[in-house]
Amino acid sequence: GNSVTQMEGPVTLSEEAFLTINCTYTATGYPSLFWYVQYPGEGLQLLLKATKADDKGSNKGFEATYRKETTSFHLEKGSVQVSDSAVYFCALSAAGGDDKIIFGKGTRLHILP
Amino acid sequence: SQTIHQWPATLVQPVGSPLSLECTVEGTSNPNLYWYRQAAGRGLQLLFYSVGIGQISSEVPQNLSASRPQDRQFILSSKKLLLSDSGFYLCAWSNPGGGENTIYFGEGSWLTVV
Repeated sequence: GNSVTQMEGPVTLSEEAFLTINCTYTATGYPSLFWYVQYPGEGLQLLLKATKADDKGSNKGFEATYRKETTSFHLEKGSVQVSDSAVYFCALSAAGGDDKIIFGKGTRLHILP
Repeated sequence: SQTIHQWPATLVQPVGSPLSLECTVEGTSNPNLYWYRQAAGRGLQLLFYSVGIGQISSEVPQNLSASRPQDRQFILSSKKLLLSDSGFYLCAWSNPGGGENTIYFGEGSWLTVV
């Protein structure tokens, strides 16, 4: 079945450091891929998405490229801020038929000032 | 624009008591609706999803149930809560058809069973 695997946290970085959170997926066909962010005490918000191979999603300085050859959708940011501290979820939506959204387990990110 | 609202935001319930969490979506028709649970230190677990009124799919065996009495209303219930039911519950919706449709979440409901 479809699944998403993302790196376990917590990830702790200093402000202005480079961030990478790895995400790989298993799916039949061509799923859409998402990154969601959950700030403390809140629900999940869509951060970015990509719907086909080689697409790059971007938002708030974060980027992720849909790599079909490596079945990956790694999240990157060039210079993180304290306000980026949150839990990040990678997710996929299977193409056609099944409407379920599959999430990874989440990666907690701590940014130190 | 579409909005999703769930309530209550926080509740503390004794073991064995009933539960009812309600979720409504506005500004769209025939949405797919979801209930997720996020237990402390764990990821998101899909509990139920619905593609239409009265159509509920359960993802995991448990003492929770879901109902969809109206197109944009989704209710999570339990007759007798267990300690293990504590967690953060999230309602969500997406447009039907799967594929590239984004899923949108409510604010979440914190449940503590004591």
